[in-house]
Amino acid sequence: NAGVTQTPKFRVLKTGQSMTLLCAQDMNHEYMYWYRQDPGMGLRLIHYSVGEGTTAKGEVPDGYNVSRLKKQNFLLGLESAAPSQTSVYFCASSYLPSGVNEQFFGPGTRLTVL
Amino acid sequence: DQQVKQNSPSLSVQEGRISILNCDYTNSMFDYFLWYKKYPAEGPTFLISISSIKDKNEDGRFTVFLNKSAKHLSLHIVPSQPGDSAVYFCALPTGNQFYFGTGTSLTVIP
Repeated sequence: NAGVTQTPKFRVLKTGQSMTLLCAQDMNHEYMYWYRQDPGMGLRLIHYSVGEGTTAKGEVPDGYNVSRLKKQNFLLGLESAAPSQTSVYFCASSYLPSGVNEQFFGPGTRLTVL
Repeated sequence: DQQVKQNSPSLSVQEGRISILNCDYTNSMFDYFLWYKKYPAEGPTFLISISSIKDKNEDGRFTVFLNKSAKHLSLHIVPSQPGDSAVYFCALPTGNQFYFGTGTSLTVIP
């Protein structure tokens, strides 16, 4: 089992460029999440999904879009990148709602927007 | 408004001694509390949890204490080992969301 994988691991963008981060999990989890981690801020939830075809906003959704077309994949898109989106992005998945179950995290994607 | 706070950004402890990491929260709605551990260039991994109906949960060298009246939880690591050097996050779930603390970077000195 690979667990939760993220692609790419690193990326540098110029302001205004777009990109998509891919998260894949092979644990048949229903719930998937995208977080960003910034210094002194902990992890903040961007968007999440409670099943294939569903998405919902988290704490900091502005500037991001997501899609969950397949149960195992959760995509995070930046349509027009801004320097404020420089961060480390983590994807996570869980079998049950987070309230009763731990989340499994991917290794992260380090994004720099110039 | 920060729902969850870890007021110590860093902590250094000698190998073999106790490490105590603290976490404070502002809202009484949380029923379940978790600690995650994160090594550099890796994602967080689950460490230990506690339900609000308990005040202590132990797993080997790791013990989590919960004081609901003070809205405070702590993680004790005894004895601390160099491999415990990592960033520790407390995480408080509600509904479909987690609120994470800002993290405490623990360094265990051999």
